[in-house]
Amino acid sequence: GEDVEQSLFLSVREGDSSVINCTYTDSSSTYLYWYKQEPGAGLQLLTYIFSNMDMKQDQRLTVLLNKKDKHLSLRIADTQTGDSAIYFCAEKGSGNTGKLIFGQGTTLQVKP
Amino acid sequence: DTEVTQTPKHLVMGMTNKKSLKCEQHMGHRAMYWYKQKAKKPPELMFVYSYEKLSINESVPSRFSPECPNSSLLNLHLHALQPEDSALYLCASSQVPQGRRREKLFFGSGTQLSVL
Repeated sequence: GEDVEQSLFLSVREGDSSVINCTYTDSSSTYLYWYKQEPGAGLQLLTYIFSNMDMKQDQRLTVLLNKKDKHLSLRIADTQTGDSAIYFCAEKGSGNTGKLIFGQGTTLQVKP
Repeated sequence: DTEVTQTPKHLVMGMTNKKSLKCEQHMGHRAMYWYKQKAKKPPELMFVYSYEKLSINESVPSRFSPECPNSSLLNLHLHALQPEDSALYLCASSQVPQGRRREKLFFGSGTQLSVL
């Protein structure tokens, strides 16, 4: 079945780069997403990548996709305390239901 | 206006109560979603409305009853809930139902529900 896995916790110092990793199982995934959730808030779409791309950059965010290994990563450059949140990787499930399959979420802690 | 607004933000109810969660968007989106999220867990899809019609019900118990009165509004009616139903209930919308296209989901801030 479809499954998305992430490490649960990452701690970095302010100003360092953060790399959050994700693996998925559905090779037919067309789009992969990164969502951010701050405490007490809903999910905010950060970025997404189409499966025929290897990399996508958007300001401080870089998404890398290794389709062969079904590995997705999100790199945040110059990490700030405001980046502290839970980051969810998600893939669009197979078929046309559009159901998103979420990973367990990685809690990013940024220390001053 | 790129917001999905949910009310109330917090709700405490007893197991015999009837209550409703409300969601509203004015982005012209034609797909609306209910998700349930337990603490430190990913959201779980409950229902999808596509063009005001229920298109997906993820085997949700009948004590949860969704309603889509019009293209801007989505309700979730609650009746005879159990303590294990306590969670953050998130509403989301997208321009069209997520199919092959890369439709973005916009989430509300959620209603934190506690069932006593």
